[in-house]
Amino acid sequence: GAVVSQHPSWVICKSGTSVKIECRSLDFQATTMFWYRQFPKQSLMLMATSNEGSKATYEQGVEKDKFLINHASLTLSTLTVTSAHPEDSSFYICSARGVGYEQYFGPGTRLTVT
Amino acid sequence: AQTVTQSQPEMSVQEAETVTLSCTYDTSENNYYLFWYKQPPSRQMILVIRQEAYKQQNATENRFSVNFQKAAKSFSLKISDSQLGDTAMYFCAFDSNYQLIWGAGTKLIIKP
Repeated sequence: GAVVSQHPSWVICKSGTSVKIECRSLDFQATTMFWYRQFPKQSLMLMATSNEGSKATYEQGVEKDKFLINHASLTLSTLTVTSAHPEDSSFYICSARGVGYEQYFGPGTRLTVT
Repeated sequence: AQTVTQSQPEMSVQEAETVTLSCTYDTSENNYYLFWYKQPPSRQMILVIRQEAYKQQNATENRFSVNFQKAAKSFSLKISDSQLGDTAMYFCAFDSNYQLIWGAGTKLIIKP
């Protein structure tokens, strides 16, 4: 149990376009979802926390207008990178938490902006 | 501020050996959770082991065990009989109000 999926696993987009990444909890209801960014050979950096039906809480330094997060249901959260630029290229990971304290992680999405 | 420190950027051992990864953390809280996650080359984060701070007994999961020293704020991971599949990045994490605080990670290489 406690499976989290992400789609797509890898996306290439052109500079200036927007790209949406989906995160789904497949077998449990996620009261809270988290979005992380990971640079090569580095740890996870929390970007934002979202609760179902509420606005996301962004970490300091994360542009909320560039990284739009929607958590419309208890099983789906989306991250939209708007007007993407090459510096937004990274590995994005989502995680989901149900009623307990443990977070379950998606497999990640590699974003390449050309 | 709560922090997690992993002082070993990289370690390598021979297959079948035992290896210990270190982790220290700083917090003023009394009740919390600690985790070790493994990130193999696939980059999927995999939970290795968890420890509740209120439990004095060290957690164990098959070949993986922790040495939890609450007073010293230390949470090391011991991998026994290491296998080639244990090669990965290992991250120590501390749960603070349902958010994870991450260490920088230790790259573990198991040599055949």
